[in-house]
Parts: sequence; C-alpha cells; structure tokens
Amino acid sequence: DSGVTQTPKHLITATGQRVTLRCSPRSGDLSVYWYQQSLDQGLQFLIQYYNGEERAKGNILERFSAQQFPDLHSELNLSSLELGDSALYFCASSVQGAVNSPLHFGNGTRLTVT
Amino acid sequence: DQQVKQNSPSLSVQEGRISILNCDYTNSMFDYFLWYKKYPAEGPTFLISISSIKDKNEDGRFTVFLNKSAKHLSLHIVPSQPGDSAVYFCAASALNYGQNFVFGPGTRLSVLP
Repeated sequence: DSGVTQTPKHLITATGQRVTLRCSPRSGDLSVYWYQQSLDQGLQFLIQYYNGEERAKGNILERFSAQQFPDLHSELNLSSLELGDSALYFCASSVQGAVNSPLHFGNGTRLTVT
Repeated sequence: DQQVKQNSPSLSVQEGRISILNCDYTNSMFDYFLWYKKYPAEGPTFLISISSIKDKNEDGRFTVFLNKSAKHLSLHIVPSQPGDSAVYFCAASALNYGQNFVFGPGTRLSVLP
C-alpha cells in the first residue's frame, strides 16, 4: 500500500460529460502529480501541485483542470469528455522540497467514455 | 519526442537467471533516475533509484547501473523470480525542471518457471 488513495476506482460516462477524480496523497507529502496512461502507452505527465500551488504543467488539455486543496488532497476535473479520454489516471505524491524523492502512486482511476 | 526510451517492449527470462532491462534518455539535464514496477490493476510501485553522481545502486536483488556518457541505464534483477513478472518503467527527472518525472513506455518482463 503506497498510502496514496484515489477515488473512484472506475468511472463510466458518456461523451460530453464532466467528471472529477479525487486523490489523497501520502501523509506528509506536499506534492501531487497527475498522470494519464492510455491503452498500451506510457505514463504521460499532466500536472503537478505543491502545497496548493500549481508547480508544473505537462501535456494537459485545456478541457482538463486540477487543484490542490488546503488539506493537500487534489482533484482532477475532466470536461467535454471525448472517447479518446478513456484511460487510467494516476495520482502520485512525493515529499518534494527534498531533492530526489521518488513518486508514490495510487492505484488509479479507470475512466471509460462511451 | 520521447525523452526516455525503453526499446524492448517485452522480455522473457527463465526463473533464477538474470533479467536486464534497459533504458535510454536524451536529455542531459536529467540527474535522477528511477525504476518502477507495475502489476495489472495497480499503480506503479517504486523499486530503486540512482542519482547522477553515482554509477551503481544496489538494493537486494535489484541493481541499477547508470552510464551518463552513453545516457543509458539498466536494471538488473538477480535471481529472477516469477513474482517479478510485471511491466517495468524507467523514469527520469531534473532538479532544474522542478523534478517533473518523465516515464518511458515500459518493458513487460515475464519470468518463466
């Protein structure tokens, strides 16, 4: 158990809809990362937050947004969903601020857009 | 443009033998490298890491080697066990890039009994 909790585990929704994915980082970790893994693809970095502030952005679509709340949990919002958004979405956390600290991943949310 | 490459999509090894997984990177700014293991329906699990000031790091059956001049790292698993069968991801980050982690596409390791 990595200590990173993601909910829900599975989500099935229709095109055009909006969903929210939730992540609770490991206790003590200030940094949260979101990654997308499409079928048979690697992990694509979406966005990083550190202590409530956006730290870095990767290949995140404008239809997607995220935030990190004062209690350090994070939400990834996906809107105007398209079939191609079907993927596994992983949240990871790290201590950050400490050089060279690894990411610890949750078990992901599997999003299916029909 | 893939900054982290794992050119072998899959690898099969006999139980008890050595498994060698390879990873190449293109960005010379990367200074921290990690290996993750992923089972189906689970998130990636951190295995071992190495910083650019070292060329080898060992943890039990797992050893990571870093060749900075060749921009190449490898993960050695000795001896390989059936439970090691999983997808292995190589990842890299650069302190100057805010420690964003770039992942390779993964190599599926099958350890045959």
